[in-house]
Amino acid sequence: DADVTQTPRNRITKTGKRIMLECSQTKGHDRMYWYRQDPGLGLRLIYYSFDVKDINKGEISDGYSVSRQAQAKFSLSLESAIPNQTALYFCATSDPGQGRETQYFGPGTRLLVL
Amino acid sequence: DAKTTQPTSMDCAEGRAANLPCNHSTISGNEYVYWYRQIHSQGPQYIIHGLKNNETNEMASLIITEDRKSSTLILPHATLRDTAVYYCIVRAEFGGSNYKLTFGKGTLLTVNP
Repeated sequence: DADVTQTPRNRITKTGKRIMLECSQTKGHDRMYWYRQDPGLGLRLIYYSFDVKDINKGEISDGYSVSRQAQAKFSLSLESAIPNQTALYFCATSDPGQGRETQYFGPGTRLLVL
Repeated sequence: DAKTTQPTSMDCAEGRAANLPCNHSTISGNEYVYWYRQIHSQGPQYIIHGLKNNETNEMASLIITEDRKSSTLILPHATLRDTAVYYCIVRAEFGGSNYKLTFGKGTLLTVNP
């Protein structure tokens, strides 16, 4: 089984709809991240969480919200989806306890907003 | 975090070594060099990282120049499954903006049969 899973893998929605992307991990890591990837722009950080009680905005958090339900679960919500939120979304986890910040990524969610 | 410069694309023959260069001339003393790769539309995958010594693991080798201003990722026997975008990232291990990885555009490595 994959260590970092994302659901759904693909989603089509309409402008104005609220949607939630979910991420679960079995690695036991405290740190979790949400990124989006657009063609030619690399990955950009949306939100990150260093533990259940810690939520931080990344570089492009407008229009998004997150919830850290448990150590293993980190959800990303689009309150009112718009077409320029069409992108590939990745969840990632990391554990700096071993002295390095290696991140482990999920398989991604491809979102299309019409 | 220091910026990096990589070639846009490279080709390699299957079974040959793939050598991917990265320039990071503004690297600071406490910054590590990380390499990740992304196979088409999949999540990025960690490959290797190092500070100043050369490193090797089951996936690749990392050669860092003595002045640390550049490095080379070596895939010793490239296969078709190694076709991917390879990202070179420089970042401090602790402190600063250590919460995120800054992915540039990377190098598209195409391994040809």
